[in-house]
Formats: sequence, structure tokens, C-alpha cells
Amino acid sequence: GDSVTQMEGPVTLSEEAFLTINCTYTATGYPSLFWYVQYPGEGLQLLLKATKADDKGSNKGFEATYRKETTSFHLEKGSVQVSDSAVYFCALPYGNNRLAFGKGNQVVVIP
Amino acid sequence: EPEVTQTPSHQVTQMGQEVILRCVPISNHLYFYWYRQILGQKVEFLVSFYNNEISEKSEIFDDQFSVERPDGSNFTLKIRSTKLEDSAMYFCASRITDRVVSPLHFGNGTRLTVT
Repeated sequence: GDSVTQMEGPVTLSEEAFLTINCTYTATGYPSLFWYVQYPGEGLQLLLKATKADDKGSNKGFEATYRKETTSFHLEKGSVQVSDSAVYFCALPYGNNRLAFGKGNQVVVIP
Repeated sequence: EPEVTQTPSHQVTQMGQEVILRCVPISNHLYFYWYRQILGQKVEFLVSFYNNEISEKSEIFDDQFSVERPDGSNFTLKIRSTKLEDSAMYFCASRITDRVVSPLHFGNGTRLTVT
């Protein structure tokens, strides 16, 4: 079935470093793709989305480009802040009502 | 900004006991969901609910699970007889429409521990 795969393991980096979190998808057709973020003690919230191939979603300095050639939707930020410490989830819709999420990546930004 | 609220934040129960997880979705939202995340695993869809009916459920959502909207504000998930493998973080979510690009609004989650 349709699914997303995120790179394994937490990501620890210093403030102002470049962040990349990999996400690849398996799907029939070209579904919309999403990144959700969960800040400490909070629920998941939509960070950005792309609705068709070659679209770039962006928000809060984060970007992700929908690449059908590599079936990827990697999340990037050029200069992270301590406040970006959170868990990041890649997701795509399947069925009538569902979202398929990845395992999530814990990002820890050290001052 | 309106929020989805979930209670309790942490529930500990013994195997075989019934638990009810509570959620108050955002007031003008019409579509409601439960997801769960077992530690170290993916966030998994359990069930969607609209117009006082289940609209879709996953293979996880067996006869031990039920959902209810008992009044105009609450949305509950009941597990009839908990098992150890039900230990997980349970997330409630809601949204205004069921369009694919309509964002889900999640609560902070209830951590269920079955001992």
C-alpha cells in the first residue's frame, strides 16, 4: 500500500547548521505530500505541503520539493534554530480519509 | 487559536480493563480521527468519523475499539479490554473538510500504558 519512509534515527546539530531530513514515498499516482511537526508537549501540526510533482512547499524557513523522479520529499532548512527542535513526520494521504505517516525524526538543535 | 484538547495526558491501566480516551475537537470541525503511535513505530490511522458514523477504519480497529460522539463537543475512543500491545500514544485529530489538502489539527495526545 501507499507509504512513506523516513531516514532512521534522531538528528542532532548545532544552531545555524543546515538540516536535511529524507523522506521517500511509495504510491500509485502522485498524491499530495506533507510534513508535520510535533514540538515538545504539543500535537502534530502541518508544517508544509505540496500537491503535485515539482511543487515546492515552504513555511518557517523550511522547504521540501516534490520529486517524482526520485519519489522523494526531503525536508530542508538552511539555518536551524534551537526552537526548531521537534519531531518531524512525512505523510501522504491514502484511502478515503487516512494519512500514512513515517516514523518521525527527532531533531535536536544545540545552541 | 482554537485547539484540539485531549484528556488525560497519561493513562495507566491494567490488562483487561476498559479505558476511555477523551477528545474535544475544534468546534466548527466536522471530521474526526484517532491515530496512535506505538513507541518507535509509525503513527497509524485507527478510525475516521463523520456525521455520527464511522466513515473508515483500519485493520487495527477491531471489536475491542469503539468511538462515540456523546454530545456536541466530545469525541471518545473506548478500548473494551486492553492488551499490553495497546500501549501507545493516542492522538485525536479534526478538520473542517475531508479534502485531501485540508490540514489535520491534532491534540497533544494521551499516553496509554497497559501493565
